[in-house]
Amino acid sequence: DVKVTQSSRYLVKRTGEKVFLECVQDMDHENMFWYRQDPGLGLRLIYFSYDVKMKEKGDIPEGYSVSREKKERFSLILESASTNQTSMYLCASSSGGADYGYTFGSGTRLTVV
Amino acid sequence: GESVGLHLPTLSVQEGDNSIINCAYSNSASDYFIWYKQESGKGPQFIIDIRSNMDKRQGQRVTVLLNKTVKHLSLQIAATQPGDSAVYFCAENIRVGGGADGLTFGKGTHLIIQP
Repeated sequence: DVKVTQSSRYLVKRTGEKVFLECVQDMDHENMFWYRQDPGLGLRLIYFSYDVKMKEKGDIPEGYSVSREKKERFSLILESASTNQTSMYLCASSSGGADYGYTFGSGTRLTVV
Repeated sequence: GESVGLHLPTLSVQEGDNSIINCAYSNSASDYFIWYKQESGKGPQFIIDIRSNMDKRQGQRVTVLLNKTVKHLSLQIAATQPGDSAVYFCAENIRVGGGADGLTFGKGTHLIIQP
């Protein structure tokens, strides 16, 4: 089975902290994505990467950065966490080939206090 | 941008009835569509997909219909069961840059099963 693993299910961080959310996929997928999910707003794309060391901004990149040093790992970084970044964060990967579908991780629910 | 949307945020159906969840999309260039199911506390899971050269595709108890004329997508679930209770998202493919194919998601419909 394709697996996308997010390192934490729940996180509580303080305002101003630097936060790392980790995502690992085991299917040699080229593309990886970070979304946040909020009630009434659906899934919004933060950043994505289509290759190692490559990254592209999504729809809401402000306050976030990413790192992709290895193909299987895509990290989302909150440089200085704020309360409006309290959300569910979902990582996904895809092969980018004929099968465009994503495989999602289980999500990380981040609370910033 | 939000090019994919849903007609109803919540749909309540009786157990055993058929469910129909609708989705409108605006990008006529999209050629691939997916339905995802998200149960509480979990990430979205793939249910069924359809390409734009088809108008219907069937899976196990699920059928997706695509009407390209009016840019409408629907998911039909036959004989709805308690385990079908979840939020359902439609998604359409977009080219997100760098040659990558990405997906734009609708906001979701919460399917509630009444006993």
